[in-house]
Amino acid sequence: FTLTQPHSLSESPGKTVIISCTGSGGNIASNYVHWYQRRPGSAPSTVIYDNNLRPSGVPDRFSGSVDSSSNSASLTISGLKTEDEADYYCQSYDGSEHWVFGGGTKLTVL
Amino acid sequence: EVQLVESGGDLVQPGRSLRLSCAASGFNIDDYAMHWVRQAPGKGLEWVSGISWDSDSIAYAASVKGRFTISRDNAKNSLYLQMNSLRPEDTALYYCIKDLVVNNWGNDAFHVWGQGTMVTVSS
Repeated sequence: FTLTQPHSLSESPGKTVIISCTGSGGNIASNYVHWYQRRPGSAPSTVIYDNNLRPSGVPDRFSGSVDSSSNSASLTISGLKTEDEADYYCQSYDGSEHWVFGGGTKLTVL
Repeated sequence: EVQLVESGGDLVQPGRSLRLSCAASGFNIDDYAMHWVRQAPGKGLEWVSGISWDSDSIAYAASVKGRFTISRDNAKNSLYLQMNSLRPEDTALYYCIKDLVVNNWGNDAFHVWGQGTMVTVSS
């Protein structure tokens, strides 16, 4: 089971960006999808867990969804701010005691 | 405050061994599954190994299986990663992670991350 993300995305402040995460070799809806943000020089932190839940402290500009028909998950960030510029990773469990990350998407806000 | 602090990273020659430690505070690690995840320079995140809250289940990525051993000492509230037969491709920042849900194994989020410890394998 693998997860594929776009390598990079760029968008302007105030706009909305959608980061996709496409599963192959398994049904992405079988297990939760989580999203992590990694800013340069900082450890990753969770922005979405269990497909669409936000940890406390994460603004509601961040939302997540899973689409079984396309076997993909999405992270949507609305009202982009320069502070959202970071690498974003989707992650899931493959059901066989292995945990999988997508390759990561570098988001540039300019 | 829930916190994880890794240590033990170093520059080592190929074929040598290294032991990473992760000291947990603010929670009891015997309530949670714990994991190691690494990030090689310029690369993405890679799950390395995980251990269930009761140590009954242990799993490894294919890239490290047979060379790395994960363990925990609940009395010391600490997690470890023994790395043997190190290769240059093991060079990475290694993160210690706590799962989100108590007494869960598998379908769970990586909830709390340490700051990482750097392992460099080079002659």
